[in-house]
Amino acid sequence: GAGVSQSPRYKVAKRGQDVALRCDPISGHVSLFWYQQALGQGPEFLTYFQNEAQLDKSGLPSDRFFAERPEGSVSTLKIQRTQQEDSAVYLCASSSPGAAKETQYFGPGTRLLVL
Amino acid sequence: LAKTTQPISMDSYEGQEVNITCSHNNIATNDYITWYQQFPSQGPRFIIQGYKTKVTNEVASLFIPADRKSSTLSLPRVSLSDTAVYYCLVGFSGGYQKVTFGTGTKLQVIP
Repeated sequence: GAGVSQSPRYKVAKRGQDVALRCDPISGHVSLFWYQQALGQGPEFLTYFQNEAQLDKSGLPSDRFFAERPEGSVSTLKIQRTQQEDSAVYLCASSSPGAAKETQYFGPGTRLLVL
Repeated sequence: LAKTTQPISMDSYEGQEVNITCSHNNIATNDYITWYQQFPSQGPRFIIQGYKTKVTNEVASLFIPADRKSSTLSLPRVSLSDTAVYYCLVGFSGGYQKVTFGTGTKLQVIP
């Protein structure tokens, strides 16, 4: 594809509701990252996949956050029992590691508002 | 992960050259320096990356002194569309490494 796409672009959830955010990386990109960006702050790392393997989930803020990439392409970030502090923009990025520089290509993000 | 320090904000008039400096005193031998640009309601976009001396592309130049403890992103003749947040990142290139964005520098270009 032309770039990383994310859906939905905006999501409003009631506190306690479960949400699922989707990321379609650039075709062929092995690496996939999820970030959380609070208003006025830089993106903060959540988790990293290499193909279908989740190699680093150290940034996930609680066990309510869960990410998967079952076939090594599309990824879903799921947040269970959403809380108001989960309100943020969730960014997905993909890259293709190799001998050269590993540049991350970001999607437009999903803006989540928890009421 | 090497920590970076950059100004919180900068203002510049249209047509001027803008230089944004980033400090990274504990940069490691294998670390590359990467700059991203982020517009409102968009994800960050890669601008430029370098290891030492000078790198130039169609968008910007990156100056890295010999000790590599700082770097300067140079944007020639900025326009209003360059108004954005600019992030300096330091990390190993050639494989996975969790990167830290920091708060970035908010550049406001004034007509």
